[in-house]
Amino acid sequence: DAKTTQPTSMDCAEGRAANLPCNHSTISGNEYVYWYRQIHSQGPQYIIHGLKNNETNEMASLIITEDRKSSTLILPHATLRDTAVYYCIVRPNFGNEKLTFGTGTRLTIIP
Amino acid sequence: GAGVSQTPSNKVTEKGKYVELRCDPISGHTALYWYRQSLGQGPEFLIYFQGTGAADDSGLPNDRFFAVRPEGSVSTLKIQRTERGDSAVYLCASSLKAAGSYNEQFFGPGTRLTVL
Repeated sequence: DAKTTQPTSMDCAEGRAANLPCNHSTISGNEYVYWYRQIHSQGPQYIIHGLKNNETNEMASLIITEDRKSSTLILPHATLRDTAVYYCIVRPNFGNEKLTFGTGTRLTIIP
Repeated sequence: GAGVSQTPSNKVTEKGKYVELRCDPISGHTALYWYRQSLGQGPEFLIYFQGTGAADDSGLPNDRFFAVRPEGSVSTLKIQRTERGDSAVYLCASSLKAAGSYNEQFFGPGTRLTVL
């Protein structure tokens, strides 16, 4: 699996948009970008995934650059409950079923 | 509906002892995964089952670790001759199916194992 690079930590004011970057410069053509998050003392939770087009769901938006070497997860209106560690993962959409987590970004939402 | 459950939530044992950790996946999920997470690190893959069989056990660190899923539902992770370095949170996840297209993995709350 390709490796990802994320900032260790970020802060965001409550109610503002949280933008979490991820670099994946060695991503292969068949690899997708996935985001999971882990709230303290809980298991990871799936957020969103995409290949090359921008994606949006009820939780977040995913913006992938045209060259696919980086992406940004956007939480449009951050709340205190969004405080968590956010993991960016690249993997094929089929086969190779395991998820390879890095150390992620610890996002703290400030009241 | 019920999510993935894991028991016990906490387990304290002594070095050299044997432990079993249980995972109850979401009903109907055919794929089941075990990960472990050390403090300050992301989860690390251990093993993945498709039905009753282990489809990928490449993450098991050594032969002290073994996992079973005899009826394709509940799974047990077994650790023999525990060592202090085995202390971690052991996470279980399940997904609806594994092959073909992506199906999100639903994680349980984990079992915190402490080896004294």
